[in-house]
Amino acid sequence: GENVEQHPSTLSVQEGDSAVIKCTYSDSASNYFPWYKQELGKRPQLIIDIRSNVGEKKDQRIAVTLNKTAKHFSLHITETQPEDSAVYFCAASGGYNKLIFGAGTRLAVHP
Amino acid sequence: GAVVSQHPSRVICKSGTSVKIECRSLDFQATTMFWYRQFPKQSLMLMATSNEGSKATYEQGVEKDKFLINHASLTLSTLTVTSAHPEDSSFYICSAIRTSGNPPIYNEQFFGPGTRLTVL
Repeated sequence: GENVEQHPSTLSVQEGDSAVIKCTYSDSASNYFPWYKQELGKRPQLIIDIRSNVGEKKDQRIAVTLNKTAKHFSLHITETQPEDSAVYFCAASGGYNKLIFGAGTRLAVHP
Repeated sequence: GAVVSQHPSRVICKSGTSVKIECRSLDFQATTMFWYRQFPKQSLMLMATSNEGSKATYEQGVEKDKFLINHASLTLSTLTVTSAHPEDSSFYICSAIRTSGNPPIYNEQFFGPGTRLTVL
C-alpha cells in the first residue's frame, strides 16, 4: 500500500521568512496530493492540492510542486505570518480515493 | 460549499460501553465516507472506507468487530466503538467524498469537525 514520509517534523522560522515542507510517496499510481493545515483540536483544512498531471500550483503565498519521477512533492509558504503556525500534513491518494497522510510538520512562526 | 458534521463533538464513557458517532454530509450526497483516528500529536490514520449500501472496507490492523460502520443513506455514516477501553480514547474524524466538475473529480474530501472520545 501507499506510504507517505514527511520532513521535517518541526520547523521554526522568523516572520517573513519562507517555509518548505517535503513529502515522498511510494505508490506510483497515486494521482492526487493535498496539503492540510490543522490547528489544535480542529479538523484538517485543505490549503492547496495538486494532481499528477500538473507540476506546480500556486495560490497567493502558498505553492506546491510535484515531481512524479522522484515521487516527491513539496509545500512552499512565503512571507510567513504568525497565524501560519499550525501542524501541516501532506497526503497522497490513488486507488479508491483513500488518503494516506504523512506524519505532519509542526510549523512555528516567530514574530 | 460542502459541509460535513459529526455528532457528538465530545463523549466520555465508561470502559466496556459502546459509543456511536455520526457523520453527516449536510449539503451533498456522499456514496463514500472515510473514518480516521488521530492520537495526540500524531497524524490521521485511516481506519476504514464506508460505502453506502455495502460493507465497509477496513484497513489492515483495524478490528471490524470492534469498530462497526454503517452507511445506510447517502448522507449518513455511523461508527460504533464497541466495548470501549481506555486505549480507544482518541480523536475520531470522518470525511466525505463529493464528486465535482465535468468530468467528475472524485478525490476531493471534506472533513467533519471530529469527535473526541475519552474512555474512563
